Amino acid sequence: EAQVTQNPRYLITVTGKKLTVTCSQNMNHEYMSWYRQDPGLGLRQIYYSMNVEVTDKGDVPEGYKVSRKEKRNFPLILESPSPNQTSLYFCASSLGVGSGSYEQYFGPGTRLTVT
Amino acid sequence: AQKVTQAQTEISVVEKEDVTLDCVYETRDTTYYLFWYKQPPSGELVFLIRRNSFDEQNEISGRYSWNFQKSTSSFNFTITASQVVDSAVYFCALSEAVSGGGADGLTFGKGTHLIIQP
Repeated sequence: EAQVTQNPRYLITVTGKKLTVTCSQNMNHEYMSWYRQDPGLGLRQIYYSMNVEVTDKGDVPEGYKVSRKEKRNFPLILESPSPNQTSLYFCASSLGVGSGSYEQYFGPGTRLTVT
Repeated sequence: AQKVTQAQTEISVVEKEDVTLDCVYETRDTTYYLFWYKQPPSGELVFLIRRNSFDEQNEISGRYSWNFQKSTSSFNFTITASQVVDSAVYFCALSEAVSGGGADGLTFGKGTHLIIQP
């Protein structure tokens, strides 16, 4: 089944404790992206990747890191989480540049709480 | 900069009524893509439709229809004969084309919470 998976689905952590949210897709998509969803703000892009080893900042990159060492994986890293990073996070993927198909398929979401 | 406005924060209708969700966008690009996504109470984001800027044809899919008007920069979504299962948050989104023929990330509106009462 074609899908985007994220782990963990729920995470409660404390300020300053490094964490990684994994994202994996099995559709051979080139483009992957991370969004955060906050009440009243909709979804905002954090980082995106056009292909392996190619990443770039989205609209709200501060406090986050990403890496794209393999095509299928795009982990989101919070080196020193803070309470304002409490949010619902979505990973997405699409066929990407030049494919003619730009629908982004979203993972199930990761609800992160930083205390 | 691109922007998507969904002025209706919440809409509540009774089942079987028709309902239209408004979406107004801003972009300086001539080539762009518009999307609608549905987020049911379970939380996942479900892709509904993509529309290219150079294709102004309206689209109908069952009870769902979309009206794209470049003259007013709008991409409205209508549900005919609404059902309780249509209750969800609906997001309109915009993506601008980048050089090379691809598309950039999505800029989302803030969403419209649609409540269908039985």
